[in-house]
Amino acid sequence: ETGVTQTPRHLVMGMTNKKSLKCEQHLGHNAMYWYKQSAKKPLELMFVYNFKEQTENNSVPSRFSPECPNSSHLFLHLHTLQPEDSALYLCASSLQREGHEQYFGPGTRLTVT
Amino acid sequence: AQSVTQLDSHVSVSEGTPVLLRCNYSSSYSPSLFWYVQHPNKGLQLLLKYTSAATLVKGINGFEAEFKKSETSFHLTKPSAHMSDAAEYFCVVSASYFSGGYNKLIFGAGTRLAVHP
Repeated sequence: ETGVTQTPRHLVMGMTNKKSLKCEQHLGHNAMYWYKQSAKKPLELMFVYNFKEQTENNSVPSRFSPECPNSSHLFLHLHTLQPEDSALYLCASSLQREGHEQYFGPGTRLTVT
Repeated sequence: AQSVTQLDSHVSVSEGTPVLLRCNYSSSYSPSLFWYVQHPNKGLQLLLKYTSAATLVKGINGFEAEFKKSETSFHLTKPSAHMSDAAEYFCVVSASYFSGGYNKLIFGAGTRLAVHP
């Protein structure tokens, strides 16, 4: 399998549920990212992991909890979400090199009911 | 600080006619610039990339973009639109955030391209 993969592709969860999104990259990159894409809003960077260390947290609510056990895997743990958290969650990876492009996964479409 | 402005939120063309998606950027240094495409319910796919080599950059699916420093523009073009080109297109500039240990990208708001038969 190549590129960046994300599972599940679709997720419906209640406000009291706990779930996790998974991302895996097969590109040998060492930086991984979580983005949120909501309708009619620009793409929002949520978290950045660089060599497994979190280097950015863009004021994301604590109900979103990232985990990066190694440079190939990234998780986003979700708990007690709100309906406004419904969105497409995109994972990306890149090399640690200035000007390097990011490669995106297909996303997880999350609906919070 | 870096920023990017996509001048049209929607563009509609007929199949077989040229495509022009406009992008202006602001950067205090020589930036890296990208165009990404997103088809419905899919992730973002890299179309092409400019990194201070040739100013005319060729990408996938017949797209190309020209870096014009004097105009601070990086417009995306294609000579002949195909129905499969209907998607959302994002112009992206690389921020000078490498001191934090990662490469931050600044995304434009997107241009939705519709292609009519």
